[in-house]
Amino acid sequence: KAGVTQTPRYLIKTRGQQVTLSCSPISGHRSVSWYQQTPGQGLQFLFEYFSETQRNKGNFPGRFSGRQFSNSRSEMNVSTLELGDSALYLCASSLDDRGRYGYTFGSGTRLTVV
Amino acid sequence: AQKVTQAQTEISVVEKEDVTLDCVYETRDTTYYLFWYKQPPSGELVFLIRRNSFDEQNEISGRYSWNFQKSTSSFNFTITASQVVDSAVYFCALYNQGGKLIFGQGTELSVKP
Repeated sequence: KAGVTQTPRYLIKTRGQQVTLSCSPISGHRSVSWYQQTPGQGLQFLFEYFSETQRNKGNFPGRFSGRQFSNSRSEMNVSTLELGDSALYLCASSLDDRGRYGYTFGSGTRLTVV
Repeated sequence: AQKVTQAQTEISVVEKEDVTLDCVYETRDTTYYLFWYKQPPSGELVFLIRRNSFDEQNEISGRYSWNFQKSTSSFNFTITASQVVDSAVYFCALYNQGGKLIFGQGTELSVKP
């Protein structure tokens, strides 16, 4: 059974640019969550999608957005990149949106903004 | 407010020592889930265990064991006879509604040969 797949693994972008990250959940999983990990702030929740609907959003500016497609694949977009957006972005998938089945994480996308 | 505290930032042990990683949580919910994840240098968060608030039984899986005590809001993780491959950052997390995991700051475990 394939795990959670995140692409690309590494990205280098210039300040002011925009970026799109992709996450393919485990087959059958309908919930996809995104997290940002930085040395200073640790792991912070960005947003969660279930059945193509955003169910919850963390405390991030509107430059961070996402969406989920009918096949449960999800993308997150960051516009007008800032140096502080450099981080490891992790996505997690689950069967439902209630935490009952746990969350499986992907290997992450490491974004560097220069 | 919901919060997870891992007071130990770094722990260093010698191989074969036992080590306990502490986790204290705060929540007003009566139903909740607690998790432990391992993050090796590759970056992926590896799921170790999930525990719901109604199940206070301790759990053992090989060299790993977990002690859940609602009375002290703690969910501690013990590695018996540690090995070099156990070196990683370990995160305790609390499930919040809406698909949100609240993570502690993590404990970096270093096991030296």
